[in-house]
Formats: sequence, C-alpha cells, structure tokens
Amino acid sequence: DAGVIQSPRHEVTEMGQEVTLRCKPISGHDYLFWYRQTMMRGLELLIYFNNNVPIDDSGMPEDRFSAKMPNASFSTLKIQPSEPRDSAVYFCASSSRSNRGTGELFFGEGSRLTVL
Amino acid sequence: AQTVTQSQPEMSVQEAETVTLSCTYDTSESNYYLFWYKQPPSRQMILVIRQEAYKQQNATENRFSVNFQKAAKSFSLKISDSQLGDTAMYFCAFMKLPLMIKAAGNKLTFGGGTRVLVKP
Repeated sequence: DAGVIQSPRHEVTEMGQEVTLRCKPISGHDYLFWYRQTMMRGLELLIYFNNNVPIDDSGMPEDRFSAKMPNASFSTLKIQPSEPRDSAVYFCASSSRSNRGTGELFFGEGSRLTVL
Repeated sequence: AQTVTQSQPEMSVQEAETVTLSCTYDTSESNYYLFWYKQPPSRQMILVIRQEAYKQQNATENRFSVNFQKAAKSFSLKISDSQLGDTAMYFCAFMKLPLMIKAAGNKLTFGGGTRVLVKP
C-alpha cells in the first residue's frame, strides 16, 4: 500500500513568493495532520482535519498560512507571502479512527522548504 | 496543555550495546498514550513503540522496550543490541485520549528529540 505522499520534497523560493505544499493521505484514513519541524521549535502541529473538515488550526502561525482539504485524498498547505522564517520541513500525516486504539500516525517524507 | 521533555539532545552507543533515552511529560490527564517515533536521515517518522497509560506492563517490541513510570510521568526507551540502522532522531510523543470516540483526533505532542548515533 502507498503511504502518505507529499510533494514537493524540496522547495527553494524567494521571500514574498507563494508556496504550496501538497499531501495525499493513505486511502481510507479520515484524519490528516500538518506538522512543521524546525531546529528551534521541534515538531509543531499546525492544523488537522477530520473527514475533510478543519478541527484545530490553533497551531497555524499567522494569516499567511492556510490549509485546505477539498476531498479525502488531497490536502494543501499554502504560505503567502513566504518569509525566511518559514524555512522548515513540513510533514503531513494521516490516521484512521480505527487507529484510535493504537494512536499511530503515518507520516510522509516531508517537504523541506527554504525561503531565501 | 501537555508538555513532553527529552533532556538528552544527543547520545552515542557502540554497536551491539544498550542505550536508554529519557522522556518526561506533564499532564493532568489519566487516560493517554505515549509513543516513541524514530526519524532516520531519510526524514520519515516511523513508530517504534507505544504504551497505553492504563497498562502497568511495559511495552516491548523486539529490541526496543520502555520503562513507563506513570506516577513519575516518565517514559524511557531502551534500545538493546544497537544496530547501525538505529542511528536516527528519536521523539517521545504524548496523545490524550478523548472522552468520546467521535472526538478522537490522535493529536500528538512531541518532545524535542534525542539524536542517537550508533558507532561501529
């Protein structure tokens, strides 16, 4: 079975540009999470969805960040305009309600963003 | 809010030896799960082991085992017979169990991580 698929794997852009990160969760999973990883702050939960509906976006740093999940198989995290402090690795993860008994999240390989 | 603390930023161990990683957490919840995730250089996070707070028995998964001390809010990971492939960042994580199944979100709070280097 395919795991969580993220694209792009690497992105280098200039300050002020729009960045869109993409995620395809594991088929059948009804929870989707976006995490950000930096050296300074570690792994932070940005937002998560249940059945395509955003449940908790309290971790989204500011209005420049937005996330959507138009259907069960696709989600985007957009940064507009991007700033150098947004440089990080962004992870998407998914899980299933049936995983509640195990609590396991399945992670993608991450998208490394560098904003110059 | 829950917090997870890993006090060892980096540890090294000789191949075939044992290393123990520490993790403490702070919560007022009584029902929760604890996890150790591994992040190798490939970046992808992989679940190593999990522990249900209501279980007194420590979880074991092959060469990986935990020492769960609920009263002390401590959750250490022991890697026995270390292998070169164990070189990675290891993250301790906490998940609160919601009261209602519908609210299950599997939302994880991570510690800062411990880098483990296994030397040949």
